[in-house]
Amino acid sequence: NAGVTQTPKFQVLKTGQSMTLQCAQDMNHNSMYWYRQDPGMGLRLIYYSASEGTTDKGEVPNGYNVSRLNKREFSLRLESAAPSQTSVYFCASSEGSTRTYEQYFGPGTRLTVT
Amino acid sequence: AQSVAQPEDQVNVAEGNPLTVKCTYSVSGNPYLFWYVQYPNRGLQFLLKYITGDNLVKGSYGFEAEFNKSQTSFHLKKPSALVSDSALYFCAVRDGRTNAGKSTFGDGTTLTVKP
Repeated sequence: NAGVTQTPKFQVLKTGQSMTLQCAQDMNHNSMYWYRQDPGMGLRLIYYSASEGTTDKGEVPNGYNVSRLNKREFSLRLESAAPSQTSVYFCASSEGSTRTYEQYFGPGTRLTVT
Repeated sequence: AQSVAQPEDQVNVAEGNPLTVKCTYSVSGNPYLFWYVQYPNRGLQFLLKYITGDNLVKGSYGFEAEFNKSQTSFHLKKPSALVSDSALYFCAVRDGRTNAGKSTFGDGTTLTVKP
């Protein structure tokens, strides 16, 4: 099992450009999440999908959109990138049933917006 | 609303000594509690969790954590630290009342184990 995979690993954008971060999991998990990690601020939830066909806003959703394409894939889109979106982005998944709520994380995407 | 506090940004211990990384939480319903570890330039890895049952839970790499309901704490412990334990540690909580809930993470504690 590859677990949770993310593409790309690194990306540099100019202000106003758009891009989509891809995430896939092969663990048959129901729930998927997008976080951003900034120095001294821990992990902040951007969007999550409790199950296929549903998405909900997290703590910092402004400037982002998501698509739960199928059970395996959950993408994050930046429509018009801003320097404030420079961060490391992590995708995670969890089985989502009783006693198995722990999350499994991808390796991250390091995004720089100039 | 739910929240997590990790009161120490940094914890330094000598190799072979016991270590404790502190975590306190606030949640309306039943607390589901987690510890994760992050090594440089890597994603987070799950260490252990408390859902229900024994207050002392054991996890990966010799780590354990004690759930204390009265003090709303879930401190991470290890009897004998290794240099390889040096990493960033995150505590997380979610409300156990709902299957569709989300976890809230603390800001993280950097553990440094010196030889």
